[in-house]
Amino acid sequence: EDQVTQSPEALRLQEGESSSLNCSYTVSGLRGLFWYRQDPGKGPEFLFTLYSAGEEKEKERLKATLTKKESFLHITAPKPEDSATYLCAVQALRGNEKLTFGTGTRLTIIP
Amino acid sequence: DAGVTQSPTHLIKTRGQQVTLRCSPKSGHDTVSWYQQALGQGPQFIFQYYEEEERQRGNFPDRFSGHQFPNYSSELNVNALLLGDSALYLCASSRLYGGQETQYFGPGTRLLVL
Repeated sequence: EDQVTQSPEALRLQEGESSSLNCSYTVSGLRGLFWYRQDPGKGPEFLFTLYSAGEEKEKERLKATLTKKESFLHITAPKPEDSATYLCAVQALRGNEKLTFGTGTRLTIIP
Repeated sequence: DAGVTQSPTHLIKTRGQQVTLRCSPKSGHDTVSWYQQALGQGPQFIFQYYEEEERQRGNFPDRFSGHQFPNYSSELNVNALLLGDSALYLCASSRLYGGQETQYFGPGTRLLVL
C-alpha cells in the first residue's frame, strides 16, 4: 500500500530563516509526486508536480526536489505569508489516479 | 477561468440524516475525485468519477455514494450520518488523458454532524 510520511509535523521559523520540509514515500511505481499548500479551512492549492528522481522545480521562494525515496520542499528567506500547511501526495503508476497524502507540515513564519 | 467550485460551504446535520454535496470541475476537466479531510489529517480518497462511472474507490463504506452528470459536475451523497463523518469534504478535478493528471481542489464543504 502507498504511504507518505511528512516531517516535521510543525515548524516555526523567523522571517528570512531558510529551511526544508521532508516527504518520504513508498509506492509501487511512482507516476508523480505533488506538493500542495493549504490555508486553514480552505482547499489545497497546487504548487508542484515531480515525476522522476533528480527533478527540481521552483516557484518564488519555494523549490521542490525528488529522489527515489523522498522529496524536499526548500523554503528560502520565507515571509509571514508563506505560513500554511504544506501537503505532499503521491500518485502510483498502476492505473490509479488517486492521490495518497501525508498529514502535512504546519509552517509558521514569525515576523 | 473559474476554478473548482463546491456547494454548500458549510453544513450542519444530525446523526442518521443524509447529505448531498455538489462540485463543478475546472473548465476543460472531465474527472472528479472526492476526498475527506479530518481535522489535522491529510485528505483521504473516497472515489473518482469519469464518464459518469465510478472509476476507483477508496476504503469508505457504501454509505458514501456519488454521481457524475453529463456536464462533468458531481455529487457526493452520505447516508445514515455518523459523528465521525464530520470533516472537510474536498472535490478535485483533472483531465484523465492528455498529460493533465494534476488534481485541482475546490474550497471544500465543511460538514458537522451533531
